[in-house]
Amino acid sequence: GQQVMQIPQYQHVQEGEDFTTYCNSSTTLSNIQWYKQRPGGHPVFLIQLVKSGEVKKQKRLTFQFGEAKKNSSLHITATQTTDVGTYFCAGRPSNFGNEKLTFGTGTRLTIIP
Amino acid sequence: NAGVTQTPKFRVLKTGQSMTLLCAQDMNHEYMYWYRQDPGMGLRLIHYSVGEGTTAKGEVPDGYNVSRLKKQNFLLGLESAAPSQTSVYFCASSYIAGGRVWNEQFFGPGTRLTVL
Repeated sequence: GQQVMQIPQYQHVQEGEDFTTYCNSSTTLSNIQWYKQRPGGHPVFLIQLVKSGEVKKQKRLTFQFGEAKKNSSLHITATQTTDVGTYFCAGRPSNFGNEKLTFGTGTRLTIIP
Repeated sequence: NAGVTQTPKFRVLKTGQSMTLLCAQDMNHEYMYWYRQDPGMGLRLIHYSVGEGTTAKGEVPDGYNVSRLKKQNFLLGLESAAPSQTSVYFCASSYIAGGRVWNEQFFGPGTRLTVL
């Protein structure tokens, strides 16, 4: 079945440093979504990418979807303590129905003040 | 709007006991999902529903049953709980807009279940 892997599993950064998490799918995706989960909380939707090579920005966050639609990345510039949490990518395979998402394993970000 | 709510928030079961987790959404969403979250394994889909009266298996359906008798509710049942089912369970809902079925999912606050 489809697998979605994320690296790294954990990332500790000094406040103000940049952070990047990478998402790789074993199959081609029709679209990819990113979610953030604060400690003790539930996943909250951040963004969706649909087009090959698409890049979207939300303030200090930059999301990219690979040309082959099998990988994606999330980059945070100048991290702040509010960025703490686990970031998940979630992809819909292009060869199945669109009702299901496969979530990546997540990257847990901790910030050192 | 309350969004997606889950009942209960916490539960401790003994092996072999049964229970039902309730998910309710007030957004008139067509799609509903049940996930379990275990450390280091992300979110894994248990069952999902694309509309009232329909359900389908996800990635890890064994040991669970579901029902969606009303559009706003999605129930997850454990008939005979096992320690391997200790996890955090999240319900989510999603919608169809503009002919696209791939829209964001809205998650409930979760149910923390421990099976002894």
